[in-house]
Amino acid sequence: EAQVTQNPRYLITVTGKKLTVTCSQNMNHEYMSWYRQDPGLGLRQIYYSMNVEVTDKGDVPEGYKVSRKEKRNFPLILESPSPNQTSLYFCASSLSGTPGDEQYFGPGTRLTVT
Amino acid sequence: AQKVTQAQTEISVVEKEDVTLDCVYETRDTTYYLFWYKQPPSGELVFLIRRNSFDEQNEISGRYSWNFQKSTSSFNFTITASQVVDSAVYFCALSELDTGRRALTFGSGTRLQVQP
Repeated sequence: EAQVTQNPRYLITVTGKKLTVTCSQNMNHEYMSWYRQDPGLGLRQIYYSMNVEVTDKGDVPEGYKVSRKEKRNFPLILESPSPNQTSLYFCASSLSGTPGDEQYFGPGTRLTVT
Repeated sequence: AQKVTQAQTEISVVEKEDVTLDCVYETRDTTYYLFWYKQPPSGELVFLIRRNSFDEQNEISGRYSWNFQKSTSSFNFTITASQVVDSAVYFCALSELDTGRRALTFGSGTRLQVQP
């Protein structure tokens, strides 16, 4: 089944404790990205990757890192999480990143930073 | 810069009523794509429709229909004979050809509550 998976689905952590949210897709998609969803703001892009070893900032990259060492994986790293990073995070992928491509979203990761 | 406005924060209807969710967008590009996504209480994002800027034909899919009007920069979504299972947050989104990031710009969402 074609899908985007994220782990963990739920995470409660404390300020400053490094964490990684994994994202994997099995559709051989070139384009992957991360969004965060906050009440009243919709979803905003954090980082994106057009292909392996090619990553760039989205609208709200501060406090986050990403890497794309393999085509299928695109982990999101919070080196020193803060409470304002409490949010619902979605990973997405599409075939080539062409604007008309349908983006496939993962199930979401709900992160709480205390 | 691109922008998507969903002015209706929350709508409550009774089952079998028709309901329209509004979406107004801003873009300077002539080539762009509009999307609607549904987010049920379980939290995942479900793709509903994609429209490109050159196709102004309205679309109907079962109880769902979409009205795209470039003249008013709107892409409204109507649910006919609403059902409890339609209760969700609905997002309108825009993607522009010239945006290198290939990002979707989302509206803030409209929460639809369908009461039995």
